[in-house]
Amino acid sequence: AQSVSQHNHHVILSEAASLELGCNYSYGGTVNLFWYVQYPGQHLQLLLKYFSGDPLVKGIKGFEAEFIKSKFSFNLRKPSVQWSDTAEYFCAVNAWNAGNMLTFGGGTRLMVKP
Amino acid sequence: EAGVAQSPRYKIIEKRQSVAFWCNPISGHATLYWYQQILGQGPKLLIQFQNNGVVDDSQLPKDRFSAERLKGVDSTLKIQPAKLEDSAVYLCASSSQGLAGYNEQFFGPGTRLTVL
Repeated sequence: AQSVSQHNHHVILSEAASLELGCNYSYGGTVNLFWYVQYPGQHLQLLLKYFSGDPLVKGIKGFEAEFIKSKFSFNLRKPSVQWSDTAEYFCAVNAWNAGNMLTFGGGTRLMVKP
Repeated sequence: EAGVAQSPRYKIIEKRQSVAFWCNPISGHATLYWYQQILGQGPKLLIQFQNNGVVDDSQLPKDRFSAERLKGVDSTLKIQPAKLEDSAVYLCASSSQGLAGYNEQFFGPGTRLTVL
């Protein structure tokens, strides 16, 4: 069974700082990869996804993520964070033979100081 | 387009009591999921329905948890009797049924359960 690790549980940044959140998964086969965001008091929303092709994917609100197959990683980045990016971020994996099932990481809580 | 609806949003019960959560998926979505999200952890899939049939319930604690989707639309998740460790947010999600490949899951707001 696949698993997902997010090594940073809490991150505190000042506005305009750069962001990188780590995500590693354990599964040797083909995967679809996702980042979800949960703003305070709101439901989980899809931030970006990778299925195939260009390993650098761009999502909403200036976020991007890079799939590095050799490292089993899918790190999330943003060059300059805003206070409104304060939220919890979840990495998730869908293995090709797991139907539509998602396995989530433990999440990273990001706080951006104004 | 209306999103996934869940009720109640909050529930507080004492241990050994029973509780039920309701979910209404996005119209036309054949697949429905229930997740458990314990504080500080990511969502964990409990059960997945395709129309009114169960696709996967391998992580559902069947001695106390049950779920149904009798008409292939709404779904109910029940816990009976509840334990302290059941305190969590219960998320419902739905997705369409495509011909192949992954179909995006859309999440509801969740029900926050506190067991005292």
